[in-house]
Amino acid sequence: GNSVTQMEGPVTLSEEAFLTINCTYTATGYPSLFWYVQYPGEGLQLLLKATKADDKGSNKGFEATYRKETTSFHLEKGSVQVSDSAVYFCALSRYSGAGSYQLTFGKGTKLSVIP
Amino acid sequence: DTGVSQDPRHKITKRGQNVTFRCDPISEHNRLYWYRQTLGQGPEFLTYFQNEAQLEKSRLLSDRFSAERPKGSFSTLEIQRTEQGDSAMYLCASEGARRETQYFGPGTRLLVL
Repeated sequence: GNSVTQMEGPVTLSEEAFLTINCTYTATGYPSLFWYVQYPGEGLQLLLKATKADDKGSNKGFEATYRKETTSFHLEKGSVQVSDSAVYFCALSRYSGAGSYQLTFGKGTKLSVIP
Repeated sequence: DTGVSQDPRHKITKRGQNVTFRCDPISEHNRLYWYRQTLGQGPEFLTYFQNEAQLEKSRLLSDRFSAERPKGSFSTLEIQRTEQGDSAMYLCASEGARRETQYFGPGTRLLVL
């Protein structure tokens, strides 16, 4: 079956530090890959996505590249801000065959950025 | 605001009671998903609707759970005879013609005492 493994948190960084959150996946075929962010008390927001190998998703200074050879989709940001403090989820989707593109999520990585 | 909305945001109930949650998707989206998120975990798929048809159900969706989407608009998720293990955040997401981009609501946090 499909699965997503992401680095365990929590991760604490100082403002302006470089961020990497590792994510690897197991899936048959060619899934699409996503990063979602969840701020305290809120639902999930799509941060970025990539639909095929070597695609780079980017948004708000965050980037991730779909690496099929290493089955990875690591999230990076060059300079984090306090407002980036949240829980980050890596996810994949594949067509189920019955109509849906249900998402399979990792366990999430909590990021705290201190001034 | 034209995003996905869920009601209530929080629900506390006693074991054995029934609860019902509502999700209003983005108006032009005909696909709707329910997920469950327990503490410290990522969301897990529960069920999927295309218009009013429930096309997929996860093994997580026991017979105490039922979901509907009358008229293909809002959806409800009912849990009968709640158990403490049902305590979780219940998330709804909608998806439009541009497949594979799901937009999530704020969730309903359920606590079963």
